[in-house]
Amino acid sequence: KAGVTQTPRYLIKTRGQQVTLSCSPISGHRSVSWYQQTPGQGLQFLFEYFSETQRNKGNFPGRFSGRQFSNSRSEMNVSTLELGDSALYLCASSFLQQEDTQYFGPGTRLTVL
Amino acid sequence: AQTVTQSQPEMSVQEAETVTLSCTYDTSENNYYLFWYKQPPSRQMILVIRQEAYKQQNATENRFSVNFQKAAKSFSLKISDSQLGDTAMYFCAFMIPNDYKLSFGAGTTVTVRA
Repeated sequence: KAGVTQTPRYLIKTRGQQVTLSCSPISGHRSVSWYQQTPGQGLQFLFEYFSETQRNKGNFPGRFSGRQFSNSRSEMNVSTLELGDSALYLCASSFLQQEDTQYFGPGTRLTVL
Repeated sequence: AQTVTQSQPEMSVQEAETVTLSCTYDTSENNYYLFWYKQPPSRQMILVIRQEAYKQQNATENRFSVNFQKAAKSFSLKISDSQLGDTAMYFCAFMIPNDYKLSFGAGTTVTVRA
């Protein structure tokens, strides 16, 4: 079974631009979560989706948004990019609704210049 | 809010020896789940082991085992017979049911020396 895939793997943007990252979960998984990883803040939860509904959201500004499609694929969008948005963005998927283990993708490395 | 603390930023171990990573957490919940994830230089986050709080028996997965002390809110990871491929950053993580999110510690970098 294929793992979680994320595209693109690397991205370079400039301040003020917007970016969309994509995540395809493991086949059969319906929950998708997003995390931001930076050297200073570590791993922080962004949001989680299940059946196209956002069930939880982390403490990030409204510039960070996401959505999930009917096939469970998910996208996250960051508008008006800031230098501090440079990070590794990790997507994770899980099978069941609640406490099932989250399996991570390889991440998207976003650099904001 | 749940917090996870990993007090050891870095650890070094000789190949074939044993290393133990510490993790403590703070929660008022009684039912929760604990995880150890490994992130090698490739940055791919890999699940190492999982523990349900309602289970008294410590989880094991091949050379990896945990010491779960619920009353002390402690969840340490032991890596036995360390291998060069174990070199990675290890994260302790916590989840409560119906919260749908992992809370991570700051991580411990483990270096296995040949």
